[in-house]
Amino acid sequence: QQQVKQSPQSLIVQKGGISIINCAYENTAFDYFPWYQQFPGKGPALLIAIRPDVSEKKEGRFTISFNKSAKQFSLHIMDSQPGDSATYFCAASRRGNTPLVFGKGTRLSVIA
Amino acid sequence: NAGVTQTPKFQVLKTGQSMTLQCAQDMNHNSMYWYRQDPGMGLRLIYYSASEGTTDKGEVPNGYNVSRLNKREFSLRLESAAPSQTSVYFCASRSGQSGSYEQYFGPGTRLTVT
Repeated sequence: QQQVKQSPQSLIVQKGGISIINCAYENTAFDYFPWYQQFPGKGPALLIAIRPDVSEKKEGRFTISFNKSAKQFSLHIMDSQPGDSATYFCAASRRGNTPLVFGKGTRLSVIA
Repeated sequence: NAGVTQTPKFQVLKTGQSMTLQCAQDMNHNSMYWYRQDPGMGLRLIYYSASEGTTDKGEVPNGYNVSRLNKREFSLRLESAAPSQTSVYFCASRSGQSGSYEQYFGPGTRLTVT
């Protein structure tokens, strides 16, 4: 049973455009929702995260939108750049040391 | 502060051989994790250790064993490698304390089993 569903699998965006990646979760006990960025040959790196007590969190060009009632959250990358080309993973977990559950990833390509 | 380190970076094994993947963290984290990454499958949890002295199975534990050697180190052992275990293996750690949720990954070990 896949607890976090991520879409799309791949995404091509023009430089300067907005990249949007969506995730849906099933477990209402989840209360921590991070996004990871992974470049080829590297480990995933924490990009931005949100708790369910807020509906949006912004860090630079990256924004998480969170909809608790719909059990969905999304990553928006504004003014997308070729350097943003990477694989992005959403994840979710309960408090403390409960393992993160990951989506299957989205490969983003930003073309000039 | 090196974060999470993994050795080796690359390894080629023949079917039936054994090996141990090493992981260490210097962030004084309580929890450590082993994931495997395969194309189109995302990151799947193999085993984890919520705290020193405990280990638990994840989503795909078959064919693997783990040892939490101390608070810093968490190793993953393949007793008899199979081609299906060809993958990229990532170790991760997390504080595990209330209010601290960030999880950090190592650079990975790329394993090929022929």
